[in-house]
Amino acid sequence: DTEVTQTPKHLVMGMTNKKSLKCEQHMGHRAMYWYKQKAKKPPELMFVYSYEKLSINESVPSRFSPECPNSSLLNLHLHALQPEDSALYLCASSQDTAGHRSTDTQYFGPGTRLTVL
Amino acid sequence: AQKVTQAQTEISVVEKEDVTLDCVYETRDTTYYLFWYKQPPSGELVFLIRRNSFDEQNEISGRYSWNFQKSTSSFNFTITASQVVDSAVYFCALSENAGGTSYGKLTFGQGTILTVHP
Repeated sequence: DTEVTQTPKHLVMGMTNKKSLKCEQHMGHRAMYWYKQKAKKPPELMFVYSYEKLSINESVPSRFSPECPNSSLLNLHLHALQPEDSALYLCASSQDTAGHRSTDTQYFGPGTRLTVL
Repeated sequence: AQKVTQAQTEISVVEKEDVTLDCVYETRDTTYYLFWYKQPPSGELVFLIRRNSFDEQNEISGRYSWNFQKSTSSFNFTITASQVVDSAVYFCALSENAGGTSYGKLTFGQGTILTVHP
């Protein structure tokens, strides 16, 4: 079962709100990823967690705060976002075979469509 | 730096036509992995295939086939007898087997929008 779930499917928030995006996988994967995708563009990597530790932060603004409570869950906390942060936020996971994360296939969730007013 | 180029921004075909999506990549690494993903209007990226740099065998899966040519740094994707359900954005991606901060990062092409008309 190659399923990654994301909630909510859609989110509308104001610039002063605090909200969270949630991602879950039950494939036993140990690497999890957040991507941001603007319309008509490819996904852009934001964060990578490996064995529940933050491994890569692609210079993402601090108004995005990731959290990995356990190996199956990945959250993205949002605070004081800007309208330009409106996008599709995709979560992905991969096995993270020891020492070979870059060779693993990343499986993506359906995404959360975020609109910041 | 690695790079993936999908020169075709949009392709439009009529159902049952064959269509080839081009992908050209650049990397300095000798070990790397190439991927194709499909993104239908619903938004989810669906994994289609992974190919490592040491395996140049072409692959066929139903109506889908992939042609990997290391000599021209290309990894093209052909859909035979296209169907309306094939309409989607298709991304080619590259992952290097290198350490450091790029470890596990996918470099995507800009994507090709495929529209199959009935």
